Amino acid sequence: QQPVQSPQAVILREGEDAVINCSSSKALYSVHWYRQKHGEAPVFLMILLKGGEQKGHDKISASFNEKKQQSSLYLTASQLSYSGTYFCGTVWKELSFGAGTTVTVRA
Amino acid sequence: SQTIHQWPATLVQPVGSPLSLECTVEGTSNPNLYWYRQAAGRGLQLLFYSVGIGQISSEVPQNLSASRPQDRQFILSSKKLLLSDSGFYLCAWSKGAGYEQYFGPGTRLTVT
Repeated sequence: QQPVQSPQAVILREGEDAVINCSSSKALYSVHWYRQKHGEAPVFLMILLKGGEQKGHDKISASFNEKKQQSSLYLTASQLSYSGTYFCGTVWKELSFGAGTTVTVRA
Repeated sequence: SQTIHQWPATLVQPVGSPLSLECTVEGTSNPNLYWYRQAAGRGLQLLFYSVGIGQISSEVPQNLSASRPQDRQFILSSKKLLLSDSGFYLCAWSKGAGYEQYFGPGTRLTVT
């Protein structure tokens, strides 16, 4: 079952913050986050397993709500290198990806 | 460390021609292997996954097939390509279902 991601796209200036949401109608085993730069393969960022969990990766962090039905990815003080498409993935039989959120960071 | 290879990097094929894309993984044993397709500007569509040699699960009915002849080799094939088969094909591996996935560099296929 494919998770729902929002927003579809976001444009930021360097130093601004953004939040990307990923939600499901059912409780999830885990949530994955990946980033894909233009023309490249997706790269794993982090995985959240427990309700209420929060994780950080440089200035990119994520949370998983208590009911394990929603996760949010936080881009803090964005840098040009944060540009790309962010996908969340949720696990049922296998990993199912959301449609992606395209992030553009401008100088 | 683990490495995943895909080839070729780009491919242009006429409609009706056959296809064979290969993916190999180094540095791990008994990985789960996956084939995804990504149309231009779109998300990741899981095509096939495999939990072991000769074990293939298909997620989407289509004119593609997959095989896993060796533990760390995964092949995507077609007997006759369609225009709609164009896209970016990605192979990935993981330690098991639900674990993080690591993607190969991808093959960009254009069917003309």
